[in-house]
Amino acid sequence: DVVMTQTPVSMSVSLGGQVSISCRSSQSLVHNNGNTYLSWYIQKPSQSPQLLIYKVSNRFSGISDRFSGSGSGTDFTLKISRVEPDDLGVYYCGQGTQYPYTFGAGTKLELK
Amino acid sequence: EVQLVESGGGLVQPGRSLKLSCAASGFTFSDYYMAWVRQAPTKGLEWVASISYDGGSTYYRDSVKGRFTISRDNAKSSLYLQMDSLRSEDTATYYCTRRQNWFAYWGQGTLVTVSS
Repeated sequence: DVVMTQTPVSMSVSLGGQVSISCRSSQSLVHNNGNTYLSWYIQKPSQSPQLLIYKVSNRFSGISDRFSGSGSGTDFTLKISRVEPDDLGVYYCGQGTQYPYTFGAGTKLELK
Repeated sequence: EVQLVESGGGLVQPGRSLKLSCAASGFTFSDYYMAWVRQAPTKGLEWVASISYDGGSTYYRDSVKGRFTISRDNAKSSLYLQMDSLRSEDTATYYCTRRQNWFAYWGQGTLVTVSS
């Protein structure tokens, strides 16, 4: 199975600040078709997860350009700029390149 | 608007069965793979199973293979998860998701508690 390792486990941020979350996979996430299926999700308290980013850097419909994804191969990053109160929650990276699909353990974003 | 509404969760004894359902709307159901993802209390996300457009192909994580069966009824725009021989470690909120190598839409989840 592909192991997804997220760092940090938690982080505190001031409103208006910027954060970066790292996600590393134990194997390359480049699919046979050339696409890299790395996605990012946020789970706000008592809510279902929501898709933020798919295929490394593509923002999902309605997602603010304050969220950006980057990376390749096995090393990926989610950046959030100008943090707002609604950004608080747990962030997960996930891979959809090979079965079983797997997720990172999550990064909890809290207010400083 | 895409909507996924799960039902069928509840308290069940170890070894017993439960069937989850997911009613989909707001998109052409038969055009998409679908999946179930679960989350144990206070834990992270875990993919459970996926099914192809017409149900001809199914995929499972090893820990549920042989016990869980994913299926769909395109005429009813519905997704199902038959869970047999349930174990305490299956206790989780189960989410119905629309799958495209990523999970674009999620239902509100249905809680399954396996306990005697």
